[in-house]
This record gives sequence, structure tokens and C-alpha cells, in this order.
Amino acid sequence: RKEVEQDPGPFNVPEGATVAFNCTYSNSASQSFFWYRQDCRKEPKLLMSVYSSGNEDGRFTAQLNRASQYISLLIRDSKLSDSATYLCVVRRGSTLGRLYFGRGTQLTVWP
Amino acid sequence: GAVVSQHPSRVICKSGTSVKIECRSLDFQATTMFWYRQFPKQSLMLMATSNEGSKATYEQGVEKDKFLINHASLTLSTLTVTSAHPEDSSFYICSARAQGADYGYTFGSGTRLTVV
Repeated sequence: RKEVEQDPGPFNVPEGATVAFNCTYSNSASQSFFWYRQDCRKEPKLLMSVYSSGNEDGRFTAQLNRASQYISLLIRDSKLSDSATYLCVVRRGSTLGRLYFGRGTQLTVWP
Repeated sequence: GAVVSQHPSRVICKSGTSVKIECRSLDFQATTMFWYRQFPKQSLMLMATSNEGSKATYEQGVEKDKFLINHASLTLSTLTVTSAHPEDSSFYICSARAQGADYGYTFGSGTRLTVV
């Protein structure tokens, strides 16, 4: 079983739509959780960390359910510039630990 | 913020030749460097982890004699793909972190390798 599972999509939504991505992780020892954004043929860039209490950054809201080992990302009022691949990422153990990446969910926002 | 310079950004080489990819941390000391490979529509797969001054730790299934990693200084790590074959064509990305930094991983911009 993969460390991190994501629905690869693609998700095609109009501007202004709300879209949600889900992710599950297999190792209960995972302690840190992130969403990264990756544009085509570019490196991943940190979008936001995910905290147990849930957290919001502008139009982006991330949720974590440790009991279900489930992570989500909600994007409200989608913009054309949100088109990218969104990677669910977890880290086990210490802050020195390696990252485990999901394969990403592709989002295309159309005008 | 922290920057990792990776080059070349893309390279085309003939089958059987070797290719070196460099990653430099520009304004911090990268005590640990992670090297990833990403095939189209797949996730980033960790190939190896290197700590400055010591041998790299390779993930299962990654040939250490084929993918040579050198991390001789705190600001430079290199990945050499030896005797490259078409199946080695992929997107290679490095990621550095500084000692003591909270989850701060800084990624290079990636190298697209095409072996013909």
C-alpha cells in the first residue's frame, strides 16, 4: 500500500467554483502534513501546512483527521492561476524526517 | 528566503553516457540533501538522502553504483547518472534542508533528463 494516496483527477472547474481534494495516508506514525502545489515541469512549492485543528489561508482551507488518516484541501472562489497539481505530503517522526509525496491531483480552472 | 540552485534545467544525452546534476544552496548550509525522481503523472519518489560528509542512503531499488551522489560540502550536492539509458529519462529534483530548521525543505527547480 502506498504511503500517501490521492485521487489523481483531473478536476476541471469554472472560475469561482469551490473544489475539494482528499488524501489518505497509511502510516499512523505520520506527524506532519502539508499540501504542495506543482506547476507543469516545475518544482513543488509549499502551499500550506495542515494542522489537527484545521487551518485556513485565504481561499484555501486544510483539514486533518488523524483517526481516519485523512487530509483535505478546499479551494474556494477558484482562480485561473490555481490550475496546477496539488500534492499531499506527509512526514513521519522528527522534523528531520523525509517527506512522502502523493502522486498529486490535477486541477484545471477554466474561464 | 532559502534558495537552492539546480542545474542544468534540462539535458539531452546519448545512451551510455553520464550526466551530472548539481544542487547548490545559495544562502544556507544544507546539511541534508534529498534527491527525487518524478516520472510523468507520478509522485516524487525519493532516490537517496545524503548528509554532508557521509555516504548517501539509497532507497530500496535504487542502484547506488548507477546514481552516484556526492555531498562533500554544506553548499553543494551532485547526482551523477552513470551509463544513462532511455528508461532513466525523468525529472530529477533535489531538496535541501538546514540543520535545526523546522520542516523547511527547499527544492531545486529540477532537471529534465532525456536519454536518446
